Amino acid sequence: AQSVTQLDSQVPVFEEAPVELRCNYSSSVSVYLFWYVQYPNQGLQLLLKYLSGSTLVKGINGFEAEFNKSQTSFHLRKPSVHISDTAEYFCAVDNTGKLIFGQGTTLQVKP
Amino acid sequence: GAVVSQHPSWVICKSGTSVKIECRSLDFQATTMFWYRQFPKQSLMLMATSNEGSKATYEQGVEKDKFLINHASLTLSTLTVTSAHPEDSSFYICSATAGGAYEQYFGPGTRLTVT
Repeated sequence: AQSVTQLDSQVPVFEEAPVELRCNYSSSVSVYLFWYVQYPNQGLQLLLKYLSGSTLVKGINGFEAEFNKSQTSFHLRKPSVHISDTAEYFCAVDNTGKLIFGQGTTLQVKP
Repeated sequence: GAVVSQHPSWVICKSGTSVKIECRSLDFQATTMFWYRQFPKQSLMLMATSNEGSKATYEQGVEKDKFLINHASLTLSTLTVTSAHPEDSSFYICSATAGGAYEQYFGPGTRLTVT
């Protein structure tokens, strides 16, 4: 069975600093990978997705992620965070038409 | 972009009553809709998958007689929590896909509190 592991439950970072949120998945077959953001009491918003092609994927709000097949990772990065980036971030994998989510990472951006 | 709405956004009901949550795709036809449940500070857990005009497929451990899902049209799916109990209190989120697309579009969620 597929699984997704987000290695950090909380990531505190100062405003304008770079950040990386780590995600590893387990699957022996091709997968589609996603990062979603969730603000308090709201649904999920898609940040970016990897379906095929270039392993470096750029998304909204200045985020990007790199698909690394050999390491089965899909880490999310942003070179300079803002206070407004404070939220919950979920990595997800799909290869059967269903999404399997990681446990989430809380990004706390401090002034 | 593709927009999914949910109604109500929050609901409080008494133990033993039933409550219905609607999920609508506003600007596209949703061939498949998904229902998730999210407990505080936790991830989303898929409850069931529904395709228009057919019975929902429930994930293991989800009681289909308790969580009734109806996908009557290409733009509407409903989740009815029957005989609700306090342990059913949660954040329920739906999502939808269009055609063969892999991307799921999420609704804003419904906060259910059972007293």
